[in-house]
Amino acid sequence: GAVVSQHPSWVICKSGTSVKIECRSLDFQATTMFWYRQFPKQSLMLMATSNEGSKATYEQGVEKDKFLINHASLTLSTLTVTSAHPEDSSFYICSARRGRDEQFFGPGTRLTVL
Amino acid sequence: AQSVTQLGSHVSVSEGALVLLRCNYSSSVPPYLFWYVQYPNQGLQLLLKYTSAATLVKGINGFEAEFKKSETSFHLTKPSAHMRDAAEYFCAVSEWYGGATNKLIFGTGTLLAVQP
Repeated sequence: GAVVSQHPSWVICKSGTSVKIECRSLDFQATTMFWYRQFPKQSLMLMATSNEGSKATYEQGVEKDKFLINHASLTLSTLTVTSAHPEDSSFYICSARRGRDEQFFGPGTRLTVL
Repeated sequence: AQSVTQLGSHVSVSEGALVLLRCNYSSSVPPYLFWYVQYPNQGLQLLLKYTSAATLVKGINGFEAEFKKSETSFHLTKPSAHMRDAAEYFCAVSEWYGGATNKLIFGTGTLLAVQP
């Protein structure tokens, strides 16, 4: 149990376009999901906390108008990178919280902006 | 704010040798501590976690970690390394919000190489 999926696993887009990434908890309900960004050979940096039915909480320095988060159901959160630019190229990882203290991570989405 | 420091961005061991990956944390409240493993181009997999119960925590794949409050450490060990253990390892500490853990703060990671 406790499987989290992400779609797509990789995406290439042109500069200026928008990209949507889905994060699903497949076998449990998650009122809270998290979105992380990971640059090559670096650690995970938390971008935002996504709460079902309410607005996401963004970390300092993360543009909420650029990284739109929607958590419309207990099993799905989406991250939309709007007007993507090459500097947005990164590995995006989501996690879903189960219970009080455990996060289960998705396999990640590799975004390349040309 | 809580933080995590992982000493050694790269660790190389021989197959069959002891694995020791270091993690120190700072926290003003009793922390929850985690070790995750990441294989190339994949998400993170939980190895083990400390949640204020037993200080010696056993995880998957033969790994274990010991919580030492006096040293603010949570080092990860494995008695005998296998080739399949080669991966990136992340230590993380959780922040508390309203009685429930919330954000995970990650260390910078340690890349473990296992030599045949």
